[in-house]
Amino acid sequence: QKEVEQNSGPLSVPEGAIASLNCTYSDRGSQSFFWYRQYSGKSPELIMFIYSNGDKEDGRFTAQLNKASQYVSLLIRDSQPSDSATYLCAVKESGAGSYQLTFGKGTKLSVIP
Amino acid sequence: DTAVSQTPKYLVTQMGNDKSIKCEQNLGHDTMYWYKQDSKKFLKIMFSYNNKELIINETVPNRFSPKSPDKAHLNLHINSLELGDSAVYFCASSQEGYEASTDTQYFGPGTRLTVL
Repeated sequence: QKEVEQNSGPLSVPEGAIASLNCTYSDRGSQSFFWYRQYSGKSPELIMFIYSNGDKEDGRFTAQLNKASQYVSLLIRDSQPSDSATYLCAVKESGAGSYQLTFGKGTKLSVIP
Repeated sequence: DTAVSQTPKYLVTQMGNDKSIKCEQNLGHDTMYWYKQDSKKFLKIMFSYNNKELIINETVPNRFSPKSPDKAHLNLHINSLELGDSAVYFCASSQEGYEASTDTQYFGPGTRLTVL
C-alpha cells in the first residue's frame, strides 16, 4: 500500500515569512513528485513537479527532494495571504505503464496579514 | 477554451437514484481519471483510462461504472446512489510518458454530488 503522509495543519505563518510544507512517502519506487494547491471549493492546480534529488526553484516556490530519506518539501518565500490554501503532495512511479498518482491528505496553510 | 470540463457542477439527488457525470478534455491527452474527494478533503483515485482502455480500477463499489467513448471523454455513471456517495468528484487528464513534465495531471472543476 503506497502511502503519502503530510501534516494536516493548519499551518499559520505571518505575511512575508517562509512557509515550509513537508511530505514523506512509503514507496521507494516513486520517481515523480508533485505539489498541487487547492483553494477552498476549487480543483487542485499544479504548482511544481520534481524528480531529481535536490532543489528546484520557480519564483517564490522551491521544491526539495531527498529520495534516500523519502522526503519532499515545498518552501514558499515571502508568503502572501493569497497563498492560503490546502497544499497536496502527490507521488507516482515514472515510465510507461505507471499511471497512478497517490495523494497525501494535504496541509492547510493560512497566511496571516 | 477550458482544458478539462465537467458537467454538471452541482448534483443534488435522492438516495436510490441513478446519475451520470460527464468529463471532456481538449488537451489531446491519452489518459483520463476519476477521483473522489471526501468531506475531509482526501483525494482518492477511482478509475483511470488510457486510450479508452481501463487501466486503474480501485476498490470502489460496482455501482460506479466509468465509460470512455473516446480518449477525450470519460463519463461516470452511478447506480443506486447512497448517502456515502456524497463528495466532490474530479476528472483529470494527463499525457503519460517517461518524463514528469508529461505525467502532470490536470484537473477539471469538480462535480459536487449531494445525496439526500
